[in-house]
Amino acid sequence: AQSVTQPDARVTVSEGASLQLRCKYSSSVTPYLFWYVQYPRQGLQLLLKYYSGDPVVQGVNGFEAEFSKSNSSFHLRKASVHWSDSAVYFCAVSLAGAKLTFGGGTRLTVRP
Amino acid sequence: ETAVFQTPNYHVTQVGNEVSFNCKQTLGHDTMYWYKQDSKKLLKIMFSYNNKQLIVNETVPRRFSPQSSDKAHLNLRIKSVEPEDSAVYLCASSLYWGGGTQYFGPGTRLLVL
Repeated sequence: AQSVTQPDARVTVSEGASLQLRCKYSSSVTPYLFWYVQYPRQGLQLLLKYYSGDPVVQGVNGFEAEFSKSNSSFHLRKASVHWSDSAVYFCAVSLAGAKLTFGGGTRLTVRP
Repeated sequence: ETAVFQTPNYHVTQVGNEVSFNCKQTLGHDTMYWYKQDSKKLLKIMFSYNNKQLIVNETVPRRFSPQSSDKAHLNLRIKSVEPEDSAVYLCASSLYWGGGTQYFGPGTRLLVL
């Protein structure tokens, strides 16, 4: 069975600063990897996904993530955050695109 | 643009009552899912249907029962709700089973008094 760990429950950064949200997974095979964002009182929106190929994937709103097989990681990055990026970010994995297993989420607060 | 719709947005009820939530997707997808998000934001899969057939049924109390009339609709019924059922219930869909990206609805927030 696969599992996902997001070691940072809360992250606070200043507007304009760079961002990295960490995600580590455990799986017997390389899973499909996703980052979703959840704004207050809303559902989950897909930021980006990785299936195979180039380990750096680009997503929406300037987000990117880098897959590392050796580290079993899929960290999310953004070069310069905006106050509107404040939300909860979820890393998720699935095997062959089936049911998603989510990490516990990281609540991002961007200070003006 | 929302393509997975859920009703109601919010529901308050008392212990022991029955509730039903509706989900509809207009994406033409074959597979739909129900997830539960608790007060700590933890998300867990409950059920998955592929073309009206139950595929995944995680360890969920028997008072929960999914219902699918066609592949665009997946409802969730809870008989005799308990306080621990208070949560946000998220519906999602994907193109097919094993079809990668899942698209989520806005959720139904349930409060059991």
